[in-house]
Amino acid sequence: DGGITQSPKYLFRKEGQNVTLSCEQNLNHDAMYWYRQDPGQGLRLIYYSQIVNDFQKGDIAEGYSVSREKKESFPLTVTSAQKNPTAFYLCASSTTGIAEAFFGQGTRLTVV
Amino acid sequence: DAKTTQPNSMESNEEEPVHLPCNHSTISGTDYIHWYRQLPSQGPEYVIHGLTSNVNNRMASLAIAEDRKSSTLILHRATLRDAAVYYCILRPTGTASKLTFGTGTRLQVTL
Repeated sequence: DGGITQSPKYLFRKEGQNVTLSCEQNLNHDAMYWYRQDPGQGLRLIYYSQIVNDFQKGDIAEGYSVSREKKESFPLTVTSAQKNPTAFYLCASSTTGIAEAFFGQGTRLTVV
Repeated sequence: DAKTTQPNSMESNEEEPVHLPCNHSTISGTDYIHWYRQLPSQGPEYVIHGLTSNVNNRMASLAIAEDRKSSTLILHRATLRDAAVYYCILRPTGTASKLTFGTGTRLQVTL
């Protein structure tokens, strides 16, 4: 089945540690996105990539880093510089143009 | 990026139609109007999109104002499974855009 997979579903880390969230898609989509969602809030864009080896900062990129070495993969690293990393993280992909975006099921990160 | 404005919340009775409004007064001529919905603890799912003409699919209908400054997502018969947050976003044509979401409308459906 084609789709977009995020892993793990739940992740716990100690404060001060970097953590990498996985996002893989087999839809052959060029564009991929990372969002953060806090309780009761909407989605805020962290980073997005329109093509392999290229990515742009979204609205809240500070404390996060990404890479896009393969078309299928767009991992997000939450660094120790992110002051409040506990949140629900969502990954999405789409083709170019006006096509719909497909979302993963999310990773809920808790930093203690 | 052009912004959208939606009511924070709406309520509906089950099996009644629901009209979810969205204002986008700064929409440009090349922006498509997309709607997504998000069920609790899940990623958003695509509902429908359109440019100028009204659109229908198995999930919903999209009514677009003649001046394109507003649109309405119509759920013809709301069910309890339609309780979700509904997001209206604008997506420019051409290369993939930033895909920016607002805060959406939380729809409650009651028996």
